[in-house]
Amino acid sequence: QVQLVQSGAEVKKPGASVKVSCKASGYTFTSYYMLWVRQAPGQGLEYMGLINPSGGGTSLAQQFQGRVTMTRDTSTSTVYMDLSSLRSDDTAVYFCGRGGGSGMDVWGQGTTVTVSS
Amino acid sequence: QSALTQPRSVSGSPGQSVTISCTGTSSDVGGYKYVSWYQQYPGKAPKLMIYDVSERPSGVPDRFSGSKSGNTASLTISGLQTEDEADYYCCSYAGSYSWLFGGGTKLTVL
Repeated sequence: QVQLVQSGAEVKKPGASVKVSCKASGYTFTSYYMLWVRQAPGQGLEYMGLINPSGGGTSLAQQFQGRVTMTRDTSTSTVYMDLSSLRSDDTAVYFCGRGGGSGMDVWGQGTTVTVSS
Repeated sequence: QSALTQPRSVSGSPGQSVTISCTGTSSDVGGYKYVSWYQQYPGKAPKLMIYDVSERPSGVPDRFSGSKSGNTASLTISGLQTEDEADYYCCSYAGSYSWLFGGGTKLTVL
């Protein structure tokens, strides 16, 4: 079945970086964009950006430009989201989701990132 | 870009209908047919309920419907059931490979 499996929870100190992975299975990896969305505790969903697994091109929301890098490994059908210079307000659940214009139809289970000194 | 505007909460009784609005601008909701809606239970990943303004993915009950007028999109849930109690988020394409989410609406089934 189509599924996205994300890496486990992370605890990081302010200023550090975190890399979250999202492994796809059950479909042709290069045929769909992968989007990243985060949700701070008790807050709503926030779009971060997307990667085109086919060519590796990315597009980032303005507020994340310069701090987020998205990459992919087609040999393992995995996309990665790297967030640097972590701050306490980056504490959130990070989701990957398959799709694009017509909605995100498959979601990962979420990865909790906690930033604390 | 500011988040799309949704009511913080709505409520209804079992069997009734509720509508959740999602207001944006001509640069997002009003400018594209790419509005989607998500249902989210606490501690869970969102689930796609409506895409392309009014299309339902396979498996989503036809009690859920979507529409759009100008810069405002709407999600209507008819025949409310207790399991519909959740948070709902709208999302719109905003051009240049960017998307915007609404702030979310908590649906309470009384």
